[in-house]
Amino acid sequence: AQSVTQLGSHVSVSEGALVLLRCNYSSSVPPYLFWYVQYPNQGLQLLLKYTTGATLVKGINGFEAEFKKSETSFHLTKPSAHMSDAAEYFCAVTLGFTGGGNKLTFGTGTQLKVEL
Amino acid sequence: DVKVTQSSRYLVKRTGEKVFLECVQDMDHENMFWYRQDPGLGLRLIYFSYDVKMKEKGDIPEGYSVSREKKERFSLILESASTNQTSMYLCASTLRLRTDTQYFGPGTRLTVL
Repeated sequence: AQSVTQLGSHVSVSEGALVLLRCNYSSSVPPYLFWYVQYPNQGLQLLLKYTTGATLVKGINGFEAEFKKSETSFHLTKPSAHMSDAAEYFCAVTLGFTGGGNKLTFGTGTQLKVEL
Repeated sequence: DVKVTQSSRYLVKRTGEKVFLECVQDMDHENMFWYRQDPGLGLRLIYFSYDVKMKEKGDIPEGYSVSREKKERFSLILESASTNQTSMYLCASTLRLRTDTQYFGPGTRLTVL
């Protein structure tokens, strides 16, 4: 079984400041990890994902995340926040092997607010 | 451009009514999903389908059923709607499970009175 914890249901940053959204996972086997973003009144869209290979993953809109196995973390960062980044962000995990089940487990989400 | 569409953005129903939520994808994906999204709870999987006429229960299937008669269409059915089913419902599809991106529809906000 797998689970995801997102620390902080609401995060507020100033425009131009660093964005850091935290995600920790629990998985008995190597995970596949995802970040999705949901803009107001829209469905979710993929920001980035880690399956195998390089642990630092770059996504759309300047976001990146690093898979740290020792810390069971997959935190999302962006060097400089923009007003258009205001949205809800979801971390998700699935098990990285055949037969491990097909379910994508989502965290409870972090609402990012960007202030002038 | 990939597209997942849902039949309604907003829906208001009465307690006890039978409710159909429909989802259509144009990407020829085998796998389709229905999620429920509630504040503070994130997304929870209701059902998913990995092929036509095939389905598996997710985390919260009670009170719901699904139908997949054609590859592109996946329906969520509330046999007898209750107020605790008031929520945002999101449909998604993906080509390969586990590794591939899930593509989401815009959601249906259902209110049961």
